[in-house]
Amino acid sequence: DAGITQSPRYKITETGRQVTLMCHQTWSHSYMFWYRQDLGHGLRLIYYSAAADITDKGEVPDGYVVSRSKTENFPLTLESATRSQTSVYFCASSSLRASLPGTDTQYFGPGTRLTVL
Amino acid sequence: GEDVEQSLFLSVREGDSSVINCTYTDSSSTYLYWYKQEPGAGLQLLTYIFSNMDMKQDQRLTVLLNKKDKHLSLRIADTQTGDSAIYFCAETPPSGKLIFGQGTELSVKP
Repeated sequence: DAGITQSPRYKITETGRQVTLMCHQTWSHSYMFWYRQDLGHGLRLIYYSAAADITDKGEVPDGYVVSRSKTENFPLTLESATRSQTSVYFCASSSLRASLPGTDTQYFGPGTRLTVL
Repeated sequence: GEDVEQSLFLSVREGDSSVINCTYTDSSSTYLYWYKQEPGAGLQLLTYIFSNMDMKQDQRLTVLLNKKDKHLSLRIADTQTGDSAIYFCAETPPSGKLIFGQGTELSVKP
């Protein structure tokens, strides 16, 4: 199906383990984003990518690693999970062509609920 | 700095109007957005307004923008139980990154 998908939808892991959250979009959007959503904080940007092989830090990048070898995929890795990384993670994509009105609209995946014990 | 503020909760009765307010800090933001998040789901774009507009109407939704006060509001007319959700305001400063508010949880009582 076309759109933006995330996997897994739910994940429980233990402190210190490595976890990778997957994000895949079928629109060939240039930009992709990872956010975490926590009560009282709204959405906070972790990392984003303007194109394949180009990534940049967001507001809360510590403890996370991203890669973008293909335009359609943007995996997020927690190298050594901590309890403070328990959250709901959202991936988003955007074409971000500022010359066209509204093209910086971001489209969100359904989210991954991660629990770190 | 870049910051977007919203009140956290709003409760209304079915059929009433809802008004969700937002203040932002970056006057150079090109677009301002309202996203809706239903329980257990991702965010969906509800509507947006270009920074040179004062008002935008889309069916039951009215967006008002006061650039002088950096205040954005979303009015939902004839609010229905299906409108119960969290509503996020967002701005796009020159950095190109969306800055979200904390979200307003709208509860619609029958």
